[in-house]
Amino acid sequence: EVQLVESGGGLVQPGGSLRLSCAASGFTLSSYAMSWVRQAPGKGLEWVSAISGSGGGAYYADSVKGRFTISRDSSKNTLYLQMNSLTAEDTAVYYCAKDSLIRFGGYFDCWGQGTLVTVSS
Amino acid sequence: DIQMTQSPSTLSTSVGDRVTITCRASQSISSWLAWYQQKPGKAPKLLIYKASSLESGVPSRFSGSGSGTEFTLTISSLQPDDFATYFCQQYKSFPYSFGQGTKLEIK
Repeated sequence: EVQLVESGGGLVQPGGSLRLSCAASGFTLSSYAMSWVRQAPGKGLEWVSAISGSGGGAYYADSVKGRFTISRDSSKNTLYLQMNSLTAEDTAVYYCAKDSLIRFGGYFDCWGQGTLVTVSS
Repeated sequence: DIQMTQSPSTLSTSVGDRVTITCRASQSISSWLAWYQQKPGKAPKLLIYKASSLESGVPSRFSGSGSGTEFTLTISSLQPDDFATYFCQQYKSFPYSFGQGTKLEIK
């Protein structure tokens, strides 16, 4: 069974950092592109970042470019999102999502349960 | 960037109703459109991809249509389990973008 389990969320002060993890099972992470999508409380979905399964690079939303870094560890079959210089606007549930393709340009056919990040003093 | 606009934002409906949700793209996305269903406190679930292809395991009362800039999600006969929020998403180009969502409420 294909499954994604996020962890690493929590309460962090403005300007702080946090690293989210997404453990994959039932498939090989490096065989698919992966994304992070977030949802602020009571709001819609916002795509944050994507990484190619083929090592072909990464993309970021303008709202996080220069502050967030997406990466993966193939040996652990785990996706990461390093988040720096956090602001209140980054408060959201963060989902990892599996792309249907190894390269970019597919839809999200599997989602994790989400992990809540709260940025507050 | 491609903007996605859904309508309506909220729809009061009843079990057995035929429901249609519209999604418009600010520029042509061919058929690179997906629809997701989300229930409170849960992750989104894929319903439709490539505008009209039904994801495996999704009931056949769900259907999608459209291409270019106008798309629709139709639920032929609403069931109690279908009261949820629905999002469209374009995956033609980065940044990927979602519609703002359509919430189906019980009338």
